[in-house]
Formats: sequence, C-alpha cells, structure tokens
Amino acid sequence: DIQMTQSPSSVSASVGDRVTITCRASQGISSWLAWYQQKPGKAPKLLIYAASSLQSGVPSRFSGSGSGTDFTLTISSLQPEDFATYYCQQANSFPQLTFGGGTKVEIK
Amino acid sequence: QVQLVESGGGVVQPGRSLRLSCAASGFTFSSYGMHWVRQAPGKGLEWVAVISYDGSNKYYADSVKGRFTISRDNSKNTLYLQMNSLRAEDTAVYYCAKDTGIAAAGNPTFFDYWGQGTLVTVSS
Repeated sequence: DIQMTQSPSSVSASVGDRVTITCRASQGISSWLAWYQQKPGKAPKLLIYAASSLQSGVPSRFSGSGSGTDFTLTISSLQPEDFATYYCQQANSFPQLTFGGGTKVEIK
Repeated sequence: QVQLVESGGGVVQPGRSLRLSCAASGFTFSSYGMHWVRQAPGKGLEWVAVISYDGSNKYYADSVKGRFTISRDNSKNTLYLQMNSLRAEDTAVYYCAKDTGIAAAGNPTFFDYWGQGTLVTVSS
C-alpha cells in the first residue's frame, strides 16, 4: 500500500497567517491527491482534488500544488473558520485508498 | 442538495454482527461509486470498502476483508455495510461517502460528499 505522510502533525497559527501543510507519498501518485478539512464532530469536507483543483464552493484562499510524491496545501490568509484538521488522500492505487495522518491547525 | 444519512450504529459485543445503512438523495445514486470510511476515536481516517456504481465490483481494506460486505440497492438509493465477527478495533465512526466517479480502476476516486457518520462501539 502507498503510505501518505503529512507534516507537521500540528501547527499553531494566527488569523491572517499563511499556513502550509505538506504530504509525501511513499511512491509516485501523479496528481491523484485530494485534501480534506475536518472540524470536531463533523464529517470531512473536500477542499482540493487532483492535487490543485479547487472544489466548488471552497474559498480561493485554499490552494494545492505538487505531483509525483510531494504535495502542498496552502491557506493564504488563515480565517477563524479554518481552524480544523486537514487530511490528504491518495487515489492512485485504486482500490487501496489511503489517507495521511492529519495536520491539526490550532489557534496561536 | 446531496444528502447522505447513515444509520444502524450502536453498541455490540465482540464477535457479533451489525448492518449499517446510508440513505442517499439529491443526486443520481446509480451513477456513482460509494464508499465506507471509518474513524476510530481520536484517530485519522481509514478507507474501509468501495462498491462500483452498478454494484458489480466491490473492494475492501485488508483489515475488514472476509468480515465486512458492502452492497447497494439502487432502487432504494441506499448503501449498506454488513459487519460480521466484529472486533474491538472496529470501534469507530463510520461514514458513507460519495465517489466523484463510478469507482473503477483508472478513474479518479475522491470523496465529494460525506454523511454525518454513525458510531459503532464493539465492547463486552
């Protein structure tokens, strides 16, 4: 199975900060990567798919980049509603789909 | 709007069975693959199983293979997960999730809609 490693596992940031989260795949996955946001007690929400495509309705301050094994989720200006846990997911090795361990974005 | 509503969770003893359901609305259910994804308390997300749009193909995570069965009834817009021989490590919130496509090799598989989840607790 393809392993997905996220870093950092947690980050403290202030409103207005630029936040970057990385996700590394154990082998190349082309651009078959998605990012999800999950708030406590809620279901995950799709933010980015195919590495850099913004899901409909998601604010443009969220962006994704990368291909192969290294990927990045960037929040350009952190808003209060963005404090949450973020997960990456690889879709290259269907049907064995795997998620990263998560990155918790906390208030500084 | 797309809605996915899970039901059937609860407390069950180790070795027993449970069946989860997911009622779908707001989209053409028979055109999309569907998944179950679980999250143990305080842990990350784990993909569990997928069924193709027409039910012809089903795949499972190694951790549940041989114990869980995914199925769907396109006439009722409902997804199921039959869980047998439950173990303590199956304790989790179980989410149903809609695939962005038909759920087949060579097609991108992302989860664009999720249900609210149903909690399964396996304990004696």
